[in-house]
Parts: sequence; C-alpha cells; structure tokens
Amino acid sequence: GQSLEQPSEVTAVEGAIVQINCTYQTSGFYGLSWYQQHDGGAPTFLSYNALDGLEETGRFSSFLSRSDSYGYLLLQELQMKDSASYFCAVRSGHNTNAGKSTFGDGTTLTVKP
Amino acid sequence: NAGVTQTPKFQVLKTGQSMTLQCAQDMNHNSMYWYRQDPGMGLRLIYYSASEGTTDKGEVPNGYNVSRLNKREFSLRLESAAPSQTSVYFCASSEEGTIYEQYFGPGTRLTVT
Repeated sequence: GQSLEQPSEVTAVEGAIVQINCTYQTSGFYGLSWYQQHDGGAPTFLSYNALDGLEETGRFSSFLSRSDSYGYLLLQELQMKDSASYFCAVRSGHNTNAGKSTFGDGTTLTVKP
Repeated sequence: NAGVTQTPKFQVLKTGQSMTLQCAQDMNHNSMYWYRQDPGMGLRLIYYSASEGTTDKGEVPNGYNVSRLNKREFSLRLESAAPSQTSVYFCASSEEGTIYEQYFGPGTRLTVT
C-alpha cells in the first residue's frame, strides 16, 4: 500500500522561512504534489515534482529525492495568510492514464506576528 | 469557467437513507475523483474515473457507488447512509500531462444521524 508521513503542526513567525517534510512509501511512483487548504475549504494546488530537484514558484519551492522517498515544501517570507494546512500527495499507478493520488494527513502551519 | 462544481453544499441524512452527490467540471478533463475528508485528516480517495466510461476503486470504496455519466459529470451515491459516512466530500478533476494538478470543488458537508 501507500503511506505518507508529514509533521502534524509547524509554527513560524511572519517573514521567516519554514520547511515541511514528507516521506512516502509507495509502488508505481510518478510524482509528489503539494496542496494548501484553508479552514476546510477546497484544497488548492501548489506544486508537483516528478523528477529529482527543486521547483520554485514565487515564495514557494518544492523538492524531491526519489532515491530517498522524500520531499519538502519550502515557504519563504511567510505571511499571515500562509496559515493553513499543507498536504503532500503521491501520484501512483501502473498506467500513466490512470494516475491517482494518496494524501498525507496534513501539516497545520500557524504563522505568528 | 466555473471549474468544478458540487451539489449540494450541505446535507443531513438519517441512517439508512440514500442520496447522490453531484459533481461537474467544465475544463474538459479526462480524470475525475471523489475524496472524503474527516476532521484533522487528509483526503482519502473513494473512487476515481480515468476517462468517460471507466471507474476504479480507491482506498475507501465500501458503502459508495459512482457513475461517470459523461466526460463532465461524476456522481457519488450512498445507498444506505451510516454515521461513519459523516464527512466532507470533495470532487476533483485533472488532465494528464507533465504537471499533475487536481482541481477541487468546494465540497459537500454531509452529516448522518
């Protein structure tokens, strides 16, 4: 089966940098995604890594190491609005047209003034 | 574009009642998904559909049925609701490609008493 581990809670101050780690066990791995969710609203896509390395999108970056089954989300210049839950999700399957995602339990990020 | 829409937004059922949750997307995506999210947890995949006419079980399919009515619509049916099915249900869609982004609907908050 699939399993993902990420910290349940992280706290940081405005303007700081925070890293949210995710380790996974899966078969048929295709890639690792990150989603943000505010107060039980609809999750929104942040990033996707299919290959090893760092992907940067504005203040957010995501990293993947396939050999270590590990990735992280890096949030820079934290703002109060970044307080939310962050989920890593593994895309897996045995058919590239039938990819499905398994989600971690989420990390609640609290940004303090 | 409306993106992914879900109806209803809220529903209260009594144990044993049945209902169908509706989902539609206007992005011409091939793949659609149904997830449930319990408090403090990640999203768990109930069923998914890689293309019109196909459906596959996810992690937690028991007690649910789905219909991929056409490319736009993917419905989830609870035949005999149980209190354990109290949850928030999210529908999502995605297009295959190099960036595996899932677009989520606003969710249906279901309570079974």
